[in-house]
Amino acid sequence: NAGVTQTPKFRILKIGQSMTLQCTQDMNHNYMYWYRQDPGMGLKLIYYSVGAGITDKGEVPNGYNVSRSTTEDFPLRLELAAPSQTSVYFCASSSRTSGKETQYFGPGTRLLVL
Amino acid sequence: GESVGLHLPTLSVQEGDNSIINCAYSNSASDYFIWYKQESGKGPQFIIDIRSNMDKRQGQRVTVLLNKTVKHLSLQIAATQPGDSAVYFCAEIPSRGGNKLTFGTGTQLKVEL
Repeated sequence: NAGVTQTPKFRILKIGQSMTLQCTQDMNHNYMYWYRQDPGMGLKLIYYSVGAGITDKGEVPNGYNVSRSTTEDFPLRLELAAPSQTSVYFCASSSRTSGKETQYFGPGTRLLVL
Repeated sequence: GESVGLHLPTLSVQEGDNSIINCAYSNSASDYFIWYKQESGKGPQFIIDIRSNMDKRQGQRVTVLLNKTVKHLSLQIAATQPGDSAVYFCAEIPSRGGNKLTFGTGTQLKVEL
């Protein structure tokens, strides 16, 4: 299993541009998450999904959109990039069959908005 | 709001010594805690977890202690190795928080040779 994969690894955007961060997991996990991590800080939840077709806002959803059409994929969309969105973005997945389960993280996408 | 925080931003230890990383949490309703290790340029990696009905849990070279009375969590690493150098995060899930983790700021562990 590849686990959680993210593309691209690094991207530079100009203010106002849009892009989609891709996330795919091959563990058949029902839960998926998007976090952002600013320098020297912990992770903050942007959006999450409990299954295909179901998404919900996390702590910092403004400026982002998500969709979950399949179990495997959970893309994150930035419509109008702003400098405040410069960060490292991590996708994660988990399987909650009973109780709470560990989240497994991808390698991250480093985004720079200029 | 509820938060999870760490006492020290940086911890330096000698190779072979034991490391103790501390974490304070403020949500008394939290019932599940996880320690993650994040190496430079990589995503967080699961180390060990503990549920609120336990006080201690041991893994390979790592031990997590939970003190619910003072809402304190610690990660102990035995015989610290250079490969242990990383940022360590504690994270918690409230009993009614679904599966949403709240992360602390992180502690940078530096292992000196």
